[in-house]
Amino acid sequence: QKEVEQDPGPLSVPEGAIVSLNCTYSNSAFQYFMWYRQYSRKGPELLMYTYSSGNKEDGRFTAQVDKSSKYISLFIRDSQPSDSATYLCAMSDFEGYQKVTFGTGTKLQVIP
Amino acid sequence: GAVVSQHPSWVICKSGTSVKIECRSLDFQATTMFWYRQFPKQSLMLMATSNEGSKATYEQGVEKDKFLINHASLTLSTLTVTSAHPEDSSFYICSAFPGQGGETQYFGPGTRLLVL
Repeated sequence: QKEVEQDPGPLSVPEGAIVSLNCTYSNSAFQYFMWYRQYSRKGPELLMYTYSSGNKEDGRFTAQVDKSSKYISLFIRDSQPSDSATYLCAMSDFEGYQKVTFGTGTKLQVIP
Repeated sequence: GAVVSQHPSWVICKSGTSVKIECRSLDFQATTMFWYRQFPKQSLMLMATSNEGSKATYEQGVEKDKFLINHASLTLSTLTVTSAHPEDSSFYICSAFPGQGGETQYFGPGTRLLVL
């Protein structure tokens, strides 16, 4: 079993839809949870960073962490074609400078 | 802020040659830099962690003599792929951690290596 599981997609949605991206994990020591956006042939870009359980909102993006279920989510409201990218979840048991475990990424396509 | 650059962005080389990839933190000092490799449709796989002025720590299965890492300063780390072979063709991405007070790693744009 992988430490982090993420549905690779692809996920196609119409413009304006609410997108839900999810990851599950097995390591209960994970405390720091991140979502990265990666455009084709580019490096990952940090979108959201959360510590422990709870919600965090930033503009159209909301990150949720449920440590009891070992489940994290990223919601994108009013999705735009520019949101089309691969979204990687990532997590760590130490603050950012330690080893981070990534999901395989979910490819999202927002159709105009 | 928190910009990381990589050079080159694209490199094609013949089998048996060595290739050097540079990773620079442009607007912050990075106490720690990381090197990842990403194959198509796969996630990032950590290759090694480097701290300025000390030897890199390699992940299990990564040949340290093949992938030479030098963290020369707080803003520069280099990865040299020695005697490259076609199976080394991949997307190499570095990241940098700002150190105390920093939240997470910041990634470079990646270097695509094609070994013929």
